[in-house]
Amino acid sequence: AQSVTQLGSHVSVSEGALVLLRCNYSSSVPPYLFWYVQYPNQGLQLLLKYTSAATLVKGINGFEAEFKKSETSFHLTKPSAHMSDAAEYFCAVSENSGGYQKVTFGIGTKLQVIP
Amino acid sequence: DTGVSQDPRHKITKRGQNVTFRCDPISEHNRLYWYRQTLGQGPEFLTYFQNEAQLEKSRLLSDRFSAERPKGSFSTLEIQRTEQGDSAMYLCASSLAGGTAIYTGELFFGEGSRLTVL
Repeated sequence: AQSVTQLGSHVSVSEGALVLLRCNYSSSVPPYLFWYVQYPNQGLQLLLKYTSAATLVKGINGFEAEFKKSETSFHLTKPSAHMSDAAEYFCAVSENSGGYQKVTFGIGTKLQVIP
Repeated sequence: DTGVSQDPRHKITKRGQNVTFRCDPISEHNRLYWYRQTLGQGPEFLTYFQNEAQLEKSRLLSDRFSAERPKGSFSTLEIQRTEQGDSAMYLCASSLAGGTAIYTGELFFGEGSRLTVL
């Protein structure tokens, strides 16, 4: 069964500092991997996705993530944090289950950006 | 161009009452999903429809929960005899069978319906 582990339920960074949010996955087949962002009282919005093409994936708002099979990781980074990046971030993995892609989410990492 | 819409956005009810949530997916999407999200957790899968057929249900979906998608368009999620443990955000998502989205699992989410059971 697939699973996702997000290390650190809360991360604080200073404005302008590097953002690093960690995600490790477990999957019995080559996975599809996603990062979603959720602002307070809103639904989830896709940031970026890995679909077995390039291992370095670029997303919206300056975020990127690197798929490392040997480490079963898909960490999210951004070189310089902005105040508007404060939100909750979810890593997710999907694999085929009975004819559709079943998506499993991590517990989320809440990012705080300190001015 | 509209995304996934959910109604109501917020619902406060007393324990034991019934509540119903509605989800309107992106119009060309034929797959619809319901997730539940509690405080400090990621979304948890509840159920999935392809067109009007409900193809999978999580064990989280107790007998008090029922979901329908009668004409393969909008969907409703009803909770009967609500309990305090049902307090959560109920998220609807849709996807398209065909193209690249369905092969990856990319989901398009609504803004959610937050339920508070007193």
